[in-house]
Amino acid sequence: QQQVKQSPQSLIVQKGGISIINCAYENTAFDYFPWYQQFPGKGPALLIAIRPDVSEKKEGRFTISFNKSAKQFSLHIMDSQPGDSATYFCAASRDTNAGKSTFGDGTTLTVKP
Amino acid sequence: DTEVTQTPKHLVMGMTNKKSLKCEQHMGHRAMYWYKQKAKKPPELMFVYSYEKLSINESVPSRFSPECPNSSLLNLHLHALQPEDSALYLCASSPGPGTNTGELFFGEGSRLTVL
Repeated sequence: QQQVKQSPQSLIVQKGGISIINCAYENTAFDYFPWYQQFPGKGPALLIAIRPDVSEKKEGRFTISFNKSAKQFSLHIMDSQPGDSATYFCAASRDTNAGKSTFGDGTTLTVKP
Repeated sequence: DTEVTQTPKHLVMGMTNKKSLKCEQHMGHRAMYWYKQKAKKPPELMFVYSYEKLSINESVPSRFSPECPNSSLLNLHLHALQPEDSALYLCASSPGPGTNTGELFFGEGSRLTVL
């Protein structure tokens, strides 16, 4: 049973546009929600993360919105750039147990110039 | 630059070969992981080492054998692999269980091809 559902599977956005990726989780014990960015041939790298005590976290052009009651969180990329083209994975875990992170299936983002 | 270093970056091996993948981190992390990633799929957890002891084995076939010689090093020994084992093998680390950070630090991976 998949515990983190991610959508869409792929996304094409024009340069300067807003990219939005959504995730929904089931396990209410999760308390750490990271987004990883992966470029082809590279390992995933943490982009931004949030804990459920806040509803929004912003770092530069990247924002996580978190809805605890709906068990959903989303990544917004403002002013999307071609260099943002990558695969994005949401994940969820217990903050003290990173090893049991559950990943979404990933979203391939293409930003067209 | 990643702080988790994996070698080799690419490996081609036959089904009867024995090879090893190596991983090193110097961040003082006490948990280390092996993940397998197929194309266009999320990483799949294989093994977790916590304080140099194997704490999780996600029902991985015995042809994969992990080893943690010390707190900075993690190896994955490969023997009698199958073509379907071809994938990107990712090593990761995290500060450790009980710490208040769930972030995984990934290496760049070892691309394995089994002929």
